[in-house]
Amino acid sequence: AQSVTQPDIHITVSEGASLELRCNYSYGATPYLFWYVQSPGQGLQLLLKYFSGDTLVQGIKGFEAEFKRSQSSFNLRKPSVHWSDAAEYFCAVGGLLSGGYNKLIFGAGTRLAVHP
Amino acid sequence: EADIYQTPRYLVIGTGKKITLECSQTMGHDKMYWYQQDPGMELHLIHYSYGVNSTEKGDLSSESTVSRIRTEHFPLTLESARPSHTSQYLCASSGWTSGRAGVSYNEQFFGPGTRLTVL
Repeated sequence: AQSVTQPDIHITVSEGASLELRCNYSYGATPYLFWYVQSPGQGLQLLLKYFSGDTLVQGIKGFEAEFKRSQSSFNLRKPSVHWSDAAEYFCAVGGLLSGGYNKLIFGAGTRLAVHP
Repeated sequence: EADIYQTPRYLVIGTGKKITLECSQTMGHDKMYWYQQDPGMELHLIHYSYGVNSTEKGDLSSESTVSRIRTEHFPLTLESARPSHTSQYLCASSGWTSGRAGVSYNEQFFGPGTRLTVL
């Protein structure tokens, strides 16, 4: 069965520190992988996605993620966190609906707090 | 500007009321989706639509219903709201994005959500 695990429910970092959010997936084929960010009271904004090619993908707001097939992981990183990065982060894998269209299978999310 | 809209953003309502959550998109997308998100939990797909007059149930069983009479509009209705329906409801739409080996993938864009509280 397709699934996404985000092992860390809450993470707190100091502003300016580096960040890594973990994501592991279970999928029968090479997956499409996504990271979304959700600020309080807002919808989801796509940070970055991996379809194929270079396993290190760059996203918006200075985020990057690395696809590691051997570890079934797609961890999100940022070298220096800003206070505005405090939000909830969701990893998702693209599955298939009937008819070949995609659905998204989400992890439970990681809530990031940033200390000044 | 192309976007996806949801109204209301917040709704507090009593048990037994009929409610409709609105979702509209100006992205020109054929496919639309409804997700349910309980606090601190992942999103679960409850309904989706391939296009006009197409509606399908998602992974998570839901007592809500949806309709797709117009391409840009995908409302969700609860005939009789209950406290167990308290949740956040997110609407999304998708268009085609180039993926691997010439296969396109429909990337989803999300609305701001409706936070529903049933007393």
